Order: sequence, then C-alpha cells, then structure tokens
Amino acid sequence: GAGVSQTPSNKVTEKGKYVELRCDPISGHTALYWYRQSLGQGPEFLIYFQGTGAADDSGLPNDRFFAVRPEGSVSTLKIQRTERGDSAVYLCASSRGLAGAGETQYFGPGTRLLVL
Amino acid sequence: AQSVTQPDIHITVSEGASLELRCNYSYGATPYLFWYVQSPGQGLQLLLKYFSGDTLVQGIKGFEAEFKRSQSSFNLRKPSVHWSDAAEYFCAVGANAGGTSYGKLTFGQGTILTVHP
Repeated sequence: GAGVSQTPSNKVTEKGKYVELRCDPISGHTALYWYRQSLGQGPEFLIYFQGTGAADDSGLPNDRFFAVRPEGSVSTLKIQRTERGDSAVYLCASSRGLAGAGETQYFGPGTRLLVL
Repeated sequence: AQSVTQPDIHITVSEGASLELRCNYSYGATPYLFWYVQSPGQGLQLLLKYFSGDTLVQGIKGFEAEFKRSQSSFNLRKPSVHWSDAAEYFCAVGANAGGTSYGKLTFGQGTILTVHP
C-alpha cells in the first residue's frame, strides 16, 4: 500500500517568505507527526496530531511555525517569515493508533527546505 | 525529559564482520525503544522496536537489539554485515505513559555506518 507522502520534495525560498509543506499520511492512520532534521542531527519532534487536534505542539520552535490537519488526514506545516536557520529536512510520520501506545511511526521521505 | 545518546558518530566495518551500534537512553520508566535506518535520499525505515517482554528483539534485515535496563542501553547488532547495510542508523525512545512526552519520539544523533568490501 501507499506510504506517507510529502510534497514538495524540495523547496527553495528566500529569507522572509512564507512556505507550506504538505503531508499525506497512510490511509486510516489517526496520528500524524512532524519532525525536523538538521544536517548531521537526528530528527527533532515538532508537533503531533491525534485526529484533527494538535495533541502536543511543544516542539514548535516559535510562533512562526504552525501546523493544521483540518479533516484528520492531510496536514500542512506552515512557516512564516522564513529564516536561514529554518533550512532542514522536514519529516512527516503517521501511526495507526494512539500516539505513544506502542504504535510504529512510519516516515515519509521528507521535504528539504533551503532558505537563501 | 527523555534523551538518547549514540556515542559513535561514524563506524567502519568490513563486509562480513559483525556489528554493534551503541545506544543509551534516559527515561524515568520502561521506555519504548526503536532503531531506524536512513539511506541517502530515503525516509526512515523501522528496523525493530521494543515495548515489553523478551529483551532480545529481532528485526528486519538480520538485525537484533537487546534491551538492558541496568545499563539503560539498547544496542543494535548484526552478526555479518553486507555492503547494502551502509547507511545512517538512529536509535529513538518513546514515552509509554501519559504526559507531555506521550506520542513523540526522541532520536539520537545517529551513527553513520561505512562498509568496506
């Protein structure tokens, strides 16, 4: 079956611009997660959704970052007034059941964001 | 707060040799533990996971890992490495109880594995 998909695969933008990154989870997965992976580092948690609601957004670095999942499926990560330090690979993952209840998180290929 | 340490940034082994990648975690109770592999340009793929029960866990591609509570470790092993195992490996810990950490994974920095022919 189809895995987690993310679009675009690459995004180049200029400092100060607004970007949206999209994640399509595996069909039927109720939990969706966003992580950020900087060069040479492991993924860092940003936010996760259980259904439509953000259950934990403690990893969002500041108020320039926002994510939505209005219908409990596709999610969009939005970054306002981008900064060069936002350059990273943004990973999305989904899991079948309740987040944290031992469910495996399946990762997408990521969106590589470069802010010039 | 939970944390993961992978002490080895880069490991080089010869094809056919055995492999052990180290992972130490910090968590107040029994954690959920995972090993993921990431090949260049690929997403993270789950190798194996530990939730409870038998402390020796078998995974895909011939990998296994052993949970040692006394050492707060979850080392990944493979008896004979193949050239196709060259990749970056990440250990991760997840909370297994309610609270602010419930649901998210905390990853280590990763270990890059190079395999010589």
